[in-house]
Amino acid sequence: AQTVTQSQPEMSVQEAETVTLSCTYDTSESDYYLFWYKQPPSRQMILVIRQEAYKQQNATENRFSVNFQKAAKSFSLKISDSQLGDAAMYFCAYRSGSAGGTSYGKLTFGQGTILTVHP
Amino acid sequence: GAGVSQSPRYKVAKRGQDVALRCDPISGHVSLFWYQQALGQGPEFLTYFQNEAQLDKSGLPSDRFFAERPEGSVSTLKIQRTQQEDSAVYLCASSGSTKRYGYTFGSGTRLTVV
Repeated sequence: AQTVTQSQPEMSVQEAETVTLSCTYDTSESDYYLFWYKQPPSRQMILVIRQEAYKQQNATENRFSVNFQKAAKSFSLKISDSQLGDAAMYFCAYRSGSAGGTSYGKLTFGQGTILTVHP
Repeated sequence: GAGVSQSPRYKVAKRGQDVALRCDPISGHVSLFWYQQALGQGPEFLTYFQNEAQLDKSGLPSDRFFAERPEGSVSTLKIQRTQQEDSAVYLCASSGSTKRYGYTFGSGTRLTVV
């Protein structure tokens, strides 16, 4: 079974500065997808960024980028120029890329990291 | 609709009461998932539907939990004889056919059992 670990229960950052959230995972699969989701108090999970395991290039989405280290099974999220609206709970998630099997594409989430942004 | 809609947004149930939580996915989305999120934790998988077929219910914590999606659209998660440990946010997510993307989540139902 796959596991996802986020070792930072809480992180804080000053507005306009950069912060990195850590995530490690464990899997025996070679084909999979990794995601970072943001969950504000409204509770809706919002997709921040995704990474296909077969791609060597790290994904970027505006101020958000990842450092994907496949051999180390590490998938960290870097938020640049942090904004007050970035404050939320962030979850790292894993999804199998297998076409068959019993995963059906379900997501396995980490425990989450609460990000606080100070003005 | 434009997004995944869940109702009610909040539900308070007395211990032993039955509850029904509704999820209205994005129109045309084949896949539908239910997750349970305890306070301060990450969501945990409950069950998966592909159209009207429930293909995986391995995450349902007990036989008091039951989910259905009879016409391949709206889904209902039912919890019988609720207990305090059932208190959580129940999230629904739907997805189209592509496997490259994540899902669209609803805002969840916060269930409090008193």
